[in-house]
Amino acid sequence: QVQLVQSGAEVKKPGASVQVSCKASGYTFTPYYIHWVRQVPGQGLEWMGIINPSDGSTNYAQKFQGRVTMTRDTSTITVYMELRSLRSQDTAVYYCARERQLAPHRFLDYWGQGTLVTVSS
Amino acid sequence: DIQMTQSPSSLSASVGDRVTITCRASQAISTYLAWFQQKPGKAPKSLIYGASNLQTGVPSKFSGSGSVTDFTLTISSLQPEDFATYYCQQYNSYPWTFGQGTKVEIK
Repeated sequence: QVQLVQSGAEVKKPGASVQVSCKASGYTFTPYYIHWVRQVPGQGLEWMGIINPSDGSTNYAQKFQGRVTMTRDTSTITVYMELRSLRSQDTAVYYCARERQLAPHRFLDYWGQGTLVTVSS
Repeated sequence: DIQMTQSPSSLSASVGDRVTITCRASQAISTYLAWFQQKPGKAPKSLIYGASNLQTGVPSKFSGSGSVTDFTLTISSLQPEDFATYYCQQYNSYPWTFGQGTKVEIK
């Protein structure tokens, strides 16, 4: 069965960086894009960006441009999301999600369990 | 960016009620719209894509409709497991954007 398993909770100080991993299993890795979505506690969902595991190409939300990097390792079937220069407003649960394409539609069909990142001095 | 506006932000309903949630896009998105259900402490679950296509395994009490800028999600007969927060999301263009959510609570 398709699974996306994320790394564990993190506590970081303001100004630091965090890397969250998302390990895929149960399907062929490279054909399916991976998105990152975050959710500040008690608030809604916010799209951060997308990576194509086949070639590593990315598209980031402008809000995170310059602070986020998404990468993948095809040997370990893992996608990574690094967020730099953390501030308290980055405290959130970060999700990875797989995109399925049924042309012309694209939708997020499987999600990781979420990783809580807490930014606090 | 395309703004997605849901209404209402919350609603109270009873088991067996028919519930409708609306979602409006700030510009035309054809039918490039998805709906998700989220329960506390859990990841969102895909319900509908393409505005009206039910995701595999989702019960037929859920239905979606609409196109261009106006969309609806309907739950035909609310059950205890349906009390959750529902989000719409557009995938017409980057950045993908979500509505602010509609919390469905027990009356």
